[in-house]
Amino acid sequence: QQQVKQSPQSLIVQKGGISIINCAYENTAFDYFPWYQQFPGKGPALLIAIRPDVSEKKEGRFTISFNKSAKQFSLHIMDSQPGDSATYFCAASDGSNFGNEKLTFGTGTRLTIIP
Amino acid sequence: NAGVTQTPKFRVLKTGQSMTLLCAQDMNHEYMYWYRQDPGMGLRLIHYSVGEGTTAKGEVPDGYNVSRLKKQNFLLGLESAAPSQTSVYFCASSFQGNTEAFFGQGTRLTVV
Repeated sequence: QQQVKQSPQSLIVQKGGISIINCAYENTAFDYFPWYQQFPGKGPALLIAIRPDVSEKKEGRFTISFNKSAKQFSLHIMDSQPGDSATYFCAASDGSNFGNEKLTFGTGTRLTIIP
Repeated sequence: NAGVTQTPKFRVLKTGQSMTLLCAQDMNHEYMYWYRQDPGMGLRLIHYSVGEGTTAKGEVPDGYNVSRLKKQNFLLGLESAAPSQTSVYFCASSFQGNTEAFFGQGTRLTVV
């Protein structure tokens, strides 16, 4: 049972373009939605996160858009750069389930930015 | 500040052998996790712990055991390794379950 579905599996974007990665979730109790960035040979690192009390969060070139009614959230990377080439994971957790608020990850998107 | 440290970084095992992966964190986090990463499968939770002395099963616990005897350490054991356990294993820790998780560098395990 995949609780967080991520698409696309891979994405190629030209330098300066907008990269968009989408995630959909099933569990309406999820209340924390982070995005992680992973470079080859490294562990994932938190990029940006959102909670459902807002519909959008922006940090520099990275924006999360959140649609609670559709149970979807997406990552937008503006002015994409070659250094953004990495694997991106969305995730979700249920903070109300105290002691059981484990992160559930999507399957990942390999992003390649070409010159 | 070391963060989350995993030992070893690489290991090759023969089928049926056992081994223990060690995870240590220096951030005084309550929550610790073990994930495995396989191509096209994302990060799948094996076991996790919400505090010293506690453990719980994740999504793919079969064939693995864990222990959290000290708050800073979380051990992952493979009792009888199988080729299906060939993977990259990541340990992570967080203050709470729905706060930032910090990951180690990973352990690449090959079972032949």
